[in-house]
Amino acid sequence: GDSVTQMEGPVTLSEEAFLTINCTYTATGYPSLFWYVQYPGEGLQLLLKATKADDKGSNKGFEATYRKETTSFHLEKGSVQVSDSAVYFCALTSGNTGKLIFGQGTTLQVKP
Amino acid sequence: NAGVTQTPKFQVLKTGQSMTLQCAQDMNHEYMSWYRQDPGMGLRLIHYSVGAGITDQGEVPNGYNVSRSTTEDFPLRLLSAAPSQTSVYFCASSPGGVNTEAFFGQGTRLTVV
Repeated sequence: GDSVTQMEGPVTLSEEAFLTINCTYTATGYPSLFWYVQYPGEGLQLLLKATKADDKGSNKGFEATYRKETTSFHLEKGSVQVSDSAVYFCALTSGNTGKLIFGQGTTLQVKP
Repeated sequence: NAGVTQTPKFQVLKTGQSMTLQCAQDMNHEYMSWYRQDPGMGLRLIHYSVGAGITDQGEVPNGYNVSRSTTEDFPLRLLSAAPSQTSVYFCASSPGGVNTEAFFGQGTRLTVV
């Protein structure tokens, strides 16, 4: 079945460092890909998405490119801030119902 | 805008007790779902619904029941709570379809002792 694999965390970075969180997927058909973010004590919220191969999603300085050839959707940010500390989830939609399949989540901690 | 509202936020149950987690959305979304979040396992789908009167099982449905009598509400029932059901539960809604964003509630932290 469809699945999503994320790099293990936690990831600890200093402010202004470059961030990459790896995400790869297995899916039949042509899923849409998402990154969700969960700030402490809150629910998940959409960070960015891409709906077809070679699409680049971007938001708040984060970006990710849908790579069909490598089945990847890695999240990047050029300069992280303390306020980016959160748990990041990669996800894909499975089938026409829009069911989401999530990766394990990666905790990011940014230190001043 | 209320979005997706879950109640309660916190709950402690004794083994064997039953309870219902409430979820309501005011966006007229057809698709609603319940997930549980456990450390190192991401979010796993429990049950979902593609419209009023239609529900189906997700990845981890055992021990949970759902019904969808209205578009707005999608309650999750724990029939006989077990310690393995200690988790954080999230309800989500979306317009449905492959490309659409899901909107999540704030979560319910459930502890079964």
